[in-house]
Amino acid sequence: SQKIEQNSEALNIQEGKTATLTCNYTNYSPAYLQWYRQDPGRGPVFLLLIRENEKEKRKERLKVTFDTTLKQSLFHITASQPADSATYLCALGDSGGYQKVTFGTGTKLQVIP
Amino acid sequence: NAGVTQTPKFQVLKTGQSMTLQCAQDMNHEYMSWYRQDPGMGLRLIHYSVGAGITDQGEVPNGYNVSRSTTEDFPLRLLSAAPSQTSVYFCATYPPSSHEQYFGPGTRLTVT
Repeated sequence: SQKIEQNSEALNIQEGKTATLTCNYTNYSPAYLQWYRQDPGRGPVFLLLIRENEKEKRKERLKVTFDTTLKQSLFHITASQPADSATYLCALGDSGGYQKVTFGTGTKLQVIP
Repeated sequence: NAGVTQTPKFQVLKTGQSMTLQCAQDMNHEYMSWYRQDPGMGLRLIHYSVGAGITDQGEVPNGYNVSRSTTEDFPLRLLSAAPSQTSVYFCATYPPSSHEQYFGPGTRLTVT
């Protein structure tokens, strides 16, 4: 069955450093991969989408890579700030009419001032 | 624009009771979905709709019903609540032209 793995342990990082989060998947050939941010008590917020034929995507301080051979995505936040502290969810999507999305369990990031 | 709204924010039910979780959107998106989020499980799809009058089952549909009579509203009905349905429920929408999902604030449901 499809499986998405994100590091369940919290990631603590010093302010100003680059945070790198990992998303690995098995038994899946997604058409695209997304990253969402979720703050406590709130719904997820979309950040970035990268398609299967793309290697890298950037948006401001965010960068996502997608390696379909390794079945892995890396999510980077450069010059991290305490306001970046949140849980980050990886999600993989199918092609087709209604693109069902499968979510990972998320990694909690804590940026320490 | 309110985006995606959900009511209630919190709810406590006794086993066997029924209730409806409300979801409304003012974004005119065709696709709407219901997810539940449990610790260590990630978001799991319950039901979804690709337009008014069209619904289908997701990964964990048992114990839940949905209907979609308008583009704006997509209520989720719990027929006979069970403790296993204790969870946080999220409604989400997105247009077919984009994969970007917009989530509501969630409903935290406890079944005792």
